[in-house]
Amino acid sequence: NAGVTQTPKFQVLKTGQSMTLQCAQDMNHEYMSWYRQDPGMGLRLIHYSVGAGITDQGEVPNGYNVSRSTTEDFPLRLLSAAPSQTSVYFCASRLGMDATYNSPLHFGNGTRLTVT
Amino acid sequence: AQRVTQPEKLLSVFKGAPVELKCNYSYSGSPELFWYVQYSRQRLQLLLRHISRESIKGFTADLNKGETSFHLKKPFAQEEDSAMYYCAPPREGNNRLAFGKGNQVVVIP
Repeated sequence: NAGVTQTPKFQVLKTGQSMTLQCAQDMNHEYMSWYRQDPGMGLRLIHYSVGAGITDQGEVPNGYNVSRSTTEDFPLRLLSAAPSQTSVYFCASRLGMDATYNSPLHFGNGTRLTVT
Repeated sequence: AQRVTQPEKLLSVFKGAPVELKCNYSYSGSPELFWYVQYSRQRLQLLLRHISRESIKGFTADLNKGETSFHLKKPFAQEEDSAMYYCAPPREGNNRLAFGKGNQVVVIP
């Protein structure tokens, strides 16, 4: 298993540009999520999905869109990039959210995004 | 909201000294708690889960329901322990898995 794969690893955007960060997992995980990591702020949840066709907002959803058309893929779209979106983005997945599970999150390697 | 709190952002310890990272949670149900570690410029990875009661890389964490805590401990810090540590959240009723600010640990040689 490749686990959680994120692309690209690095990206530089100009203010106002749009782009999509890709995330794919091959573990048949129902739950997928996007976080951004900023110094002193820890990990903040952007959007998450509990299964194909279902998405919901996290703590900092503004400026980002997601979709979950398949179990494997959970892309994150920046609609109009702003310097405040300069960050490291992590995608993560885990088995279903059934209360009997105690499964950890599996993280991708991250995407380092700079918006100028 | 159900949350975890990690009070110290930065913890500097000398090699060989004990390390304790505090994590307190607020959760009304049975918590699922984990510690994750992130070494420099790497992905986050699971360090410990409370249900397994294991010791990984010399670290242990005990769930104390009375104090609603899940502190991470290691008796003798090593340089390779320098990393970011996140106490991972109990699952909220709406399935949000929101993290705290984490602890930066620096082990001084």
